[in-house]
Amino acid sequence: AQTVTQSQPEMSVQEAETVTLSCTYDTSESNYYLFWYKQPPSRQMILVIRQEAYKQQNATENRFSVNFQKAAKSFSLKISDSQLGDTAMYFCAFMTSSGANSKLTFGKGITLSVRP
Amino acid sequence: KAGVTQTPRYLIKTRGQQVTLSCSPISGHRSVSWYQQTPGQGLQFLFEYFSETQRNKGNFPGRFSGRQFSNSRSEMNVSTLELGDSALYLCASSLGSGLNQPQHFGDGTRLSIL
Repeated sequence: AQTVTQSQPEMSVQEAETVTLSCTYDTSESNYYLFWYKQPPSRQMILVIRQEAYKQQNATENRFSVNFQKAAKSFSLKISDSQLGDTAMYFCAFMTSSGANSKLTFGKGITLSVRP
Repeated sequence: KAGVTQTPRYLIKTRGQQVTLSCSPISGHRSVSWYQQTPGQGLQFLFEYFSETQRNKGNFPGRFSGRQFSNSRSEMNVSTLELGDSALYLCASSLGSGLNQPQHFGDGTRLSIL
């Protein structure tokens, strides 16, 4: 079974600083996808970034980037120049490419607070 | 373009009853997936529908079922409700089939079981 672990339940960062959110996963599959989703308070969940396991290059979306370490099964999210709007719950998610048996597995989430 | 719409936003039921939740995807999106979010278990995948067919399924009992209509709108049904079914139920849509596609989420339906 696939598992996703986000060991830090909460983090806090000063506005304009950089913060890294950790995520590890466990799988025996070789081909899979990893995601970070953001759920702001009382707002819709949105996709932040996506990484395909076969791609060695780390995905980047503006201020958001990942550090994907396939051998270590680690997928951390780095937020640069943190903004107040980054305050949200962040979920790491994992999905195998097993056709009809695919399912999306989420970590427990981490609550990030950006301080002014 | 309108986002994913879930109805109702809030629902209160009692144990043993059944409930149907509705999800209208973004126009043009053909895949709809459902998730349950609780403080204890976190976010869990229920199932995904594409072109009126269930494509993927999570580890939930048969009391949880769904369907998708020809216009891509989807409904989720939970029968014989239990206290543990109290949760925020999220629906997401995507253009193509497969959970690797970027999911666009709705605001959710908050279900409370008394």
